[in-house]
Amino acid sequence: DGGITQSPKYLFRKEGQNVTLSCEQNLNHDAMYWYRQDPGQGLRLIYYSQIVNDFQKGDIAEGYSVSREKKESFPLTVTSAQKNPTAFYLCASSMRGQGQPQHFGDGTRLSIL
Amino acid sequence: GENVEQHPSTLSVQEGDSAVIKCTYSDSASNYFPWYKQELGKRPQLIIDISSNVGEKKDQRIAVTLNKTAKHFSLHITETQPEDSAVYFCAASDNYGQNFVFGPGTRLSVLP
Repeated sequence: DGGITQSPKYLFRKEGQNVTLSCEQNLNHDAMYWYRQDPGQGLRLIYYSQIVNDFQKGDIAEGYSVSREKKESFPLTVTSAQKNPTAFYLCASSMRGQGQPQHFGDGTRLSIL
Repeated sequence: GENVEQHPSTLSVQEGDSAVIKCTYSDSASNYFPWYKQELGKRPQLIIDISSNVGEKKDQRIAVTLNKTAKHFSLHITETQPEDSAVYFCAASDNYGQNFVFGPGTRLSVLP
């Protein structure tokens, strides 16, 4: 889906460092989501937001933080408290309401130096 | 909360054969069930979805069936082709469409 842009594509984190992953969408979607995917595994929800200035923790929120200051943007910060950050991070967005599919970005692959 | 199980975890079929992947869910309030295809290193892409007021939906070689009583739904791919090889994820959405719970995925290999 060309309407969701994640950057960077690859990111390296040093120990003790916070890093921020960008997610921007031009689909006019209200809801946005962050997932973590480990090799050979499914998608686990980190945070989601249904409207601007509001967001909810998912299943694995510890060590992560988000903000939703604009409808188009939902950045994810991986803090130094996340001791095992190496994973593929996917951002998604959808319209609000029942029966609305999520559309995904191309992902960011985060590794530890 | 919702829990989605998916079987099998891996599936190999000969080109031209059919493939079936099954998912079960736990929350009877879930009412929207999409299927995603993910090629290696790429984004998941929606291939078909079904809502609880429908028992079956078909799109060319792909079909999804839903049994709300038994709380399971299945993806059917007919006349498989090598380009169907990928990981397939099912998901269930809660009643307000706020959250999706994904199954662990099925790695499908179509052998030429």
